[in-house]
Amino acid sequence: RKEVEQDPGPFNVPEGATVAFNCTYSNSASQSFFWYRQDCRKEPKLLMSVYSSGNEDGRFTAQLNRASQYISLLIRDSKLSDSATYLCVVNMRSSGDKLTFGTGTRLAVRP
Amino acid sequence: DGGITQSPKYLFRKEGQNVTLSCEQNLNHDAMYWYRQDPGQGLRLIYYSQIVNDFQKGDIAEGYSVSREKKESFPLTVTSAQKNPTAFYLCASSGRGRSNQPQHFGDGTRLSIL
Repeated sequence: RKEVEQDPGPFNVPEGATVAFNCTYSNSASQSFFWYRQDCRKEPKLLMSVYSSGNEDGRFTAQLNRASQYISLLIRDSKLSDSATYLCVVNMRSSGDKLTFGTGTRLAVRP
Repeated sequence: DGGITQSPKYLFRKEGQNVTLSCEQNLNHDAMYWYRQDPGQGLRLIYYSQIVNDFQKGDIAEGYSVSREKKESFPLTVTSAQKNPTAFYLCASSGRGRSNQPQHFGDGTRLSIL
C-alpha cells in the first residue's frame, strides 16, 4: 500500500461547482498534513496546512480524520483558475522534516 | 524578496557527463531538499539536509551527490551513474525543528539527455 494515496482524476467540473478530494495515508504516526497545488510544468505551491480541527481559507476547506487516516480538500464555487493538480502531503515526526507526497488529483474547471 | 532560486531552468546532459544543479535560498531555512518528478508521478526525495555540513540519502539517491557547505546553498550533481536522468528537479527548503513546517519550492530545473 502506498504511504499516501490519491485518486488521480481528472475531476471535470463546471464553474461554480463544489468539488471534494480525499487522500488516505498509511502511517498512523503521521503528524502534519498539507495540501499543495501544482500547475502544469510548474513547482508545487503550498495551498494550506490541515489542522486537527479542520480549517478554512476562503473557498477552500481542509479536514483531517485521524481515525480513518484521511484528509480532504473541499473547493466551493470553483473558478477556472482552480484548474491544477492538488497534492496531498504528509509528514511523520519520526522521519524528521521529510514529507511524503501523493501523486496528485487533477482538477479541470470548465466554463 | 525571500525565496528559493534554482538554476538553470533547462539543462542538457551528454552521455558520461556530470552536471550540477544549483539551489540557493535566502529564507534562513535550516533544511533543504532535492526531489525528482517524472511525468504523471509524484515527487520522490533524492537527498535532504537538515543542517550545514550534514545530509542524508532520500529514497532514490543512487547516481546523485550533494554538498551543504553553506546554509543558503544545496547543489545537486547528477552523475554519469544516473542512467535515466531526464526529469523535473525541484529544490525545497523549510524551517527545521517544527514538525508542522511546510516546504517551499524553487521553480525547478528540467534536465534532458542530449
